[in-house]
Amino acid sequence: GQQVMQIPQYQHVQEGEDFTTYCNSSTTLSNIQWYKQRPGGHPVFLIQLVKSGEVKKQKRLTFQFGEAKKNSSLHITATQTTDVGTYFCAGPKNAGNNRKLIWGLGTSLAVNP
Amino acid sequence: DSGVTQTPKHLITATGQRVTLRCSPRSGDLSVYWYQQSLDQGLQFLIQYYNGEERAKGNILERFSAQQFPDLHSELNLSSLELGDSALYFCASSSTTSPTDTQYFGPGTRLTVL
Repeated sequence: GQQVMQIPQYQHVQEGEDFTTYCNSSTTLSNIQWYKQRPGGHPVFLIQLVKSGEVKKQKRLTFQFGEAKKNSSLHITATQTTDVGTYFCAGPKNAGNNRKLIWGLGTSLAVNP
Repeated sequence: DSGVTQTPKHLITATGQRVTLRCSPRSGDLSVYWYQQSLDQGLQFLIQYYNGEERAKGNILERFSAQQFPDLHSELNLSSLELGDSALYFCASSSTTSPTDTQYFGPGTRLTVL
């Protein structure tokens, strides 16, 4: 079935280093969403990418949607301790009447001060 | 604050018991989603309701059921509880049925089955 895979599963960085997480789908996606979950918190929507090759920036975060719309990445420049958390990507699965979001397992980011 | 509320925050119960988790969506949102998150697991989608009707189903066990009421709040019923059902249960809401809608998550209910 349709799958969304994220790598790496975990990443430890020193504060100030860059971080990238990758999301790969087994099928073409109409769009992709990214969410962040802080430790002890709930997932919070970050962004949605829709167009092939789209690049969006939010301060130190850069989101990219692949040309084939099967992969996406989130890059954080100069990480800070506030970036700690798990980053999830999710893409829609259109299967008849059972349309739903398929979620990756997330990448957990730890930042050493 | 997402505007989605969930009660209770914590629930401790024994195997074989039945519990009900409650969720109130954001004002104006018609869709409610239920997710299960276990340790080291991602978000497992359980079920979606839209305006009172079931819309999409994920890996929801037969021991679990949900419903959405006319006032749009939703309840997730978990019965014949097993140790493995211990997890965080999140509710999320969105304005339409589309899986491309942004989902707003509640703070979650942490269920511990002893």
